[in-house]
Amino acid sequence: NAGVMQNPRHLVRRRGQEARLRCSPMKGHSHVYWYRQLPEEGLKFMVYLQKENIIDESGMPKERFSAEFPKEGPSILRIQQVVRGDSAAYFCASSPRILAGGNQETQYFGPGTRLLVL
Amino acid sequence: AQTVTQSQPEMSVQEAETVTLSCTYDTSESDYYLFWYKQPPSRQMILVIRQEAYKQQNATENRFSVNFQKAAKSFSLKISDSQLGDAAMYFCAYDTSGSRLTFGEGTQLTVNP
Repeated sequence: NAGVMQNPRHLVRRRGQEARLRCSPMKGHSHVYWYRQLPEEGLKFMVYLQKENIIDESGMPKERFSAEFPKEGPSILRIQQVVRGDSAAYFCASSPRILAGGNQETQYFGPGTRLLVL
Repeated sequence: AQTVTQSQPEMSVQEAETVTLSCTYDTSESDYYLFWYKQPPSRQMILVIRQEAYKQQNATENRFSVNFQKAAKSFSLKISDSQLGDAAMYFCAYDTSGSRLTFGEGTQLTVNP
């Protein structure tokens, strides 16, 4: 069973360009989470998605950032008009389901995408 | 809002010795989950151990164990018989609803041969 896949592993963009980060969850997992890790900091939650639904986007910047998890294909985190402050590692995690009563299944992380904005 | 605090930015341990990493958290919830993740130089996030708050018994995974003190909102990680491969950044994390993990700022562990 392959783990969470993220690509690209490294992405370099110039200011003003678009960055598109992809995440394929583990087989059988229908919940996807995106986190951002700035240099020398811990991970910060961005967004939680299920297939075709955004469940919680309270950690997403209001502008330029968007996420989707279509019925078919990987989850996409899109950053439009990137700025140098967007340089960070972006991690995707997946979990199989939320158990009855809201109990949480463990989140498994991908290897991350390192975004560098020049 | 929930917060997670790791008060030790750096720790070091001699190979084969035992080390304890501290974590405290703040929450008004009664049911929640606590995790320790390891991030080696590869930057991959690796689950080390998980604890359900409703369980009184401390979780263990081989050389890794936790000391969960619910009343004190404390969740420390003990690594026994430390190995060179244990060197990494360790993050404590909290979750209540299954919608997000809240991470601490991390503790950088160095293992000296």
